[in-house]
Amino acid sequence: AQKITQTQPGMFVQEKEAVTLDCTYDTSDQSYGLFWYKQPSSGEMIFLIYQGSYDEQNATEGRYSLNFQKARKSANLVISASQLGDSAMYFCAMREFSGGYQKVTFGTGTKLQVIP
Amino acid sequence: DGGITQSPKYLFRKEGQNVTLSCEQNLNHDAMYWYRQDPGQGLRLIYYSQIVNDFQKGDIAEGYSVSREKKESFPLTVTSAQKNPTAFYLCASSRLQGVASEQYFGPGTRLTVT
Repeated sequence: AQKITQTQPGMFVQEKEAVTLDCTYDTSDQSYGLFWYKQPSSGEMIFLIYQGSYDEQNATEGRYSLNFQKARKSANLVISASQLGDSAMYFCAMREFSGGYQKVTFGTGTKLQVIP
Repeated sequence: DGGITQSPKYLFRKEGQNVTLSCEQNLNHDAMYWYRQDPGQGLRLIYYSQIVNDFQKGDIAEGYSVSREKKESFPLTVTSAQKNPTAFYLCASSRLQGVASEQYFGPGTRLTVT
């Protein structure tokens, strides 16, 4: 079974509009962390936002917010006021403990294109 | 400046040759990771390490080997047993402070095997 599922291979959004990128996860751990990364065409991975499984409030970082619904096991990324520079691949990831080790698993990503 | 370096950025090899990809970090992070990324795909975990001289297989370890002789270094060898080695390889590191530590990534190495 997939640990991290991103069901949107590609998304389009008009500049200055908000967009939601979906992420669902699967784990039996009580303690885990959820992350979103951005990968521009240059290939570098840029950390955007983090949500802990015990955090009661949704995480926010500037124009990024994470819509965390623990019961549904979803951690959607919301980008407000989209900019042309937001065009990139976006990956959801989960850190959990596996056999005494911390393991980080990534989803397959969503390609976001911002239209002028 | 602290960070992760991977070298070289582009690497070309003939089929049947082993090749070693370098990864060095000066962030004093305990954990290091190797991922493989194919075009239009996500990151798949090859190996990870939390401490010197100890490492664990990830989801696609077959055909790869690693070593962790120093905290700062985590080289990946792509062996001739790896059937489809052409890919983009990313190295990452992180602190070990519960589940909250984000990963820091290197710039990646694009390996082409012909």
